[in-house]
Amino acid sequence: DTAVSQTPKYLVTQMGNDKSIKCEQNLGHDTMYWYKQDSKKFLKIMFSYNNKELIINETVPNRFSPKSPDKAHLNLHINSLELGDSAVYFCASSQLNRRSSGNTIYFGEGSWLTVV
Amino acid sequence: ILNVEQSPQSLHVQEGDSTNFTCSFPSSNFYALHWYRWETAKSPEALFVMTLNGDEKKKGRISATLNTKEGYSYLYIKGSQPEDSATYLCALNYGGSQGNLIFGKGTKLSVKP
Repeated sequence: DTAVSQTPKYLVTQMGNDKSIKCEQNLGHDTMYWYKQDSKKFLKIMFSYNNKELIINETVPNRFSPKSPDKAHLNLHINSLELGDSAVYFCASSQLNRRSSGNTIYFGEGSWLTVV
Repeated sequence: ILNVEQSPQSLHVQEGDSTNFTCSFPSSNFYALHWYRWETAKSPEALFVMTLNGDEKKKGRISATLNTKEGYSYLYIKGSQPEDSATYLCALNYGGSQGNLIFGKGTKLSVKP
């Protein structure tokens, strides 16, 4: 079983469209994240959700919105797609432990988004 | 701006060689250091999470050390095998939140049979 799964794996869409990438984790974790691999190949945090509360929101455009229907899912919605949104988006999850800073974060395989 | 630097960017070794890579980070903002192994089109695979200065961790032929005072970690691979070919990423948790990792660009390892 895949621990963190995201769909679709590949998505090609036109500028101006609205699209979603879904993410599910079966690890029982209470925190989920979205990362973006930028043009310089760095993985950068976009959002995280802990018990349905947004606890990180980096400086991403408000066209991007995370939606969490339950603890096991964190979907990424993108409105009015732009060419610069083309990237690989990774979902991840972990179990938040306030007494430890060393919790493993588990990643999905990534979703390749191409905006044309 | 916090930066995590990894060197070398890429490395080509022969099967059986032992090798090591470096991850450098600002020592003033340290909470944890993560190492990942990443093959293209697959999930980054967690190797180690290190939190204490002097930590040494081992998983099979792969081991890592941590020096938080000087801000570096080494990853060692003993007797490299072709299946070790991957990009090795390190990431710094600087304490803003446990999931807010600052990643390096990675070291791409190619092991020739």
